[in-house]
This record gives sequence, C-alpha cells and structure tokens, in this order.
Amino acid sequence: DIQMTQSPSSVSASVGDRVNITCRASQGISSWLAWHQQKPGMAPKLLIYAASTLQDGVPSRFSGSGFGTDFTLTISSLQPEDFATYFCQQANTFPLTFGQGTKVEIK
Amino acid sequence: QVQLVQSGAEVKSPGASLKVSCKSSGYTFTSYAVHWVRLAPGQRLEWMGWIKTDNGDTEYSRKLQGRVTFTRDSSASTVYMQLSSLMSEDTAVYYCAISGYYLYYFDYWGQGTLVTVSS
Repeated sequence: DIQMTQSPSSVSASVGDRVNITCRASQGISSWLAWHQQKPGMAPKLLIYAASTLQDGVPSRFSGSGFGTDFTLTISSLQPEDFATYFCQQANTFPLTFGQGTKVEIK
Repeated sequence: QVQLVQSGAEVKSPGASLKVSCKSSGYTFTSYAVHWVRLAPGQRLEWMGWIKTDNGDTEYSRKLQGRVTFTRDSSASTVYMQLSSLMSEDTAVYYCAISGYYLYYFDYWGQGTLVTVSS
C-alpha cells in the first residue's frame, strides 16, 4: 500500500498568513493526488485534484504543486473560513490512502 | 446540486451487523462510482472499497474483505454498505463519496454516519 505522510499535523496561523502543508508518498504517484478540506461536523470537500487543478468554485488563494512523491498545498492568504482540517489523498492505486490530516487553527 | 445523504447514527453491540445507506441526488446515479471511507478516533481516513453503480462490480480493502458488502438500488439512487461481525475497532464515522470510474478523486462526499460499537 502507498503510505501518505502529511506535515505538519497542526499549524497555528493568523488571517492573512501564508500556509504550506506537505504530503509525501512512499512511492511515486505521478500527479495522482488530491487535497480535501473538512470543517467540524461537515462533509469533506474536494479542493484540488491532479496535484494542482483547482476544483470548480474553490478560491484562487488555494494552490497545489508537486509530482512523484512530494506535494504541497498552499493557502496564500488565510481567511477566517479556511480554519479547518486538510488532508491529502493518493488516487494512483487501490487501496486509496490518505494523509493523517493537518488542522489549521487560529493563532 | 449534487447531494449524498447518509442514514443516521447507529449504536451496535459487538458481533452485530450494520447497514448504512447513501442516497444520491443531483446527477445521473450511474455516472459515478461510490466509495466508502471511514474515520476511526485517532486514526486517519481508511478506504473501505468501492462499487461501480453501472454494473454493481465491487472491490473491497484486504482488511475488510469478507466482512463488508456494498450493494446498490439503482431505482432509488442508493448505495448500501453492510459490515458484519462488528468489533469495537469498527467505531468510526463512515462516509460515502463519489468518483469517476477511471479518476479516483472524491468529487463529493456524504455527511457521514457515526457508528458506535459498544457492549
């Protein structure tokens, strides 16, 4: 199985800050990576797929990069509605696997 | 708009069976496959498997093979997840999510169903 290692597990940041979250795959997955956002009590939401493609309706302050084993989710200017948990998902091979999540908290 | 609405929370005894439903609306049911994913306390998300809604083909995770079954009722645009021989380790929030048949990105997720297994 492909292991996904996400870091950090949590980050405290202020509105307007730039936030980077990284995800590393245990083997190459090309660009088969997605990022999801989840707020408490709500369904997860797809933000980015194919490593860098923004899902329709997702604000442009979110961006994704990477290829192979190393990937990054960047929030360029954190907004109040962005405080949530983010997790990566590899879509290369079954079983599909996930990072452990990064909780973005208010500083 | 696309919606996946899951059945409500359940409390089960060890050894019992569970059935959770996921009703789709806002799109053509057979256009997407349905996956099941669970999140146990203190753990990361775990993919349980998927069902192709056009032909009913399924694939299950090795860990759950033999205990889990996915079925579909196309007339009701609903997919069901059954899990048998429940253990305390099955306590989790269970999610359904949809993807394409060849691109395994979860375009939409259900709201989740909390399942508690306790004696």
